[in-house]
Amino acid sequence: DTGVSQNPRHKITKRGQNVTFRCDPISEHNRLYWYRQTLGQGPEFLTYFQNEAQLEKSRLLSDRFSAERPKGSFSTLEIQRTEQGDSAMYLCASSSPWEGYNEQFFGPGTRLTVL
Amino acid sequence: AQTVTQSQPEMSVQEAETVTLSCTYDTSESDYYLFWYKQPPSRQMILVIRQEAYKQQNATENRFSVNFQKAAKSFSLKISDSQLGDAAMYFCASTNTGKLIFGQGTTLQVKP
Repeated sequence: DTGVSQNPRHKITKRGQNVTFRCDPISEHNRLYWYRQTLGQGPEFLTYFQNEAQLEKSRLLSDRFSAERPKGSFSTLEIQRTEQGDSAMYLCASSSPWEGYNEQFFGPGTRLTVL
Repeated sequence: AQTVTQSQPEMSVQEAETVTLSCTYDTSESDYYLFWYKQPPSRQMILVIRQEAYKQQNATENRFSVNFQKAAKSFSLKISDSQLGDAAMYFCASTNTGKLIFGQGTTLQVKP
């Protein structure tokens, strides 16, 4: 296992389209997090899962956003009816109970551009 | 609510010199963790160093060390013997529940 992977790495879409991103965490990491990072800023928390359960959602996660982790392994983040303000880097991270969940390992991110 | 503030948008250091990046935070929790993450240009975020709030001893990792002042809610990162590969954006972050709260970041430039 080489780390957290995210696909696609880049996505360009037109305003109003739906997009879906995938995150594969490190094996045996049962917590998975989604963050959004705009240019020159720090990442902002969106949501996180422990196994299949979505334990917390940020107010940033509007009704157009939905995240799932159906089998407790990979996760998907879908944005419906994209807006230009959704353009950002979407980061996924995972953590393990063996580290007390305190160290999060990040993926390379998916850069979304909404035209 | 937790907040993290980095007041230095950009810093520069001469290769082989030492630089300190500042971070302050606010939390009402007694048990929390603090981190410094490094994000090189177009590359993924990696953990540099972490500090458990209950530990008084400052964490060190090779050329990286922190100055953790719990009462002042300050958590600075010192990079010794700076190398060209240290050039990146550095983020201070805190957590007590799992989700990370990040600062705005400091861009570090290393001059040869």
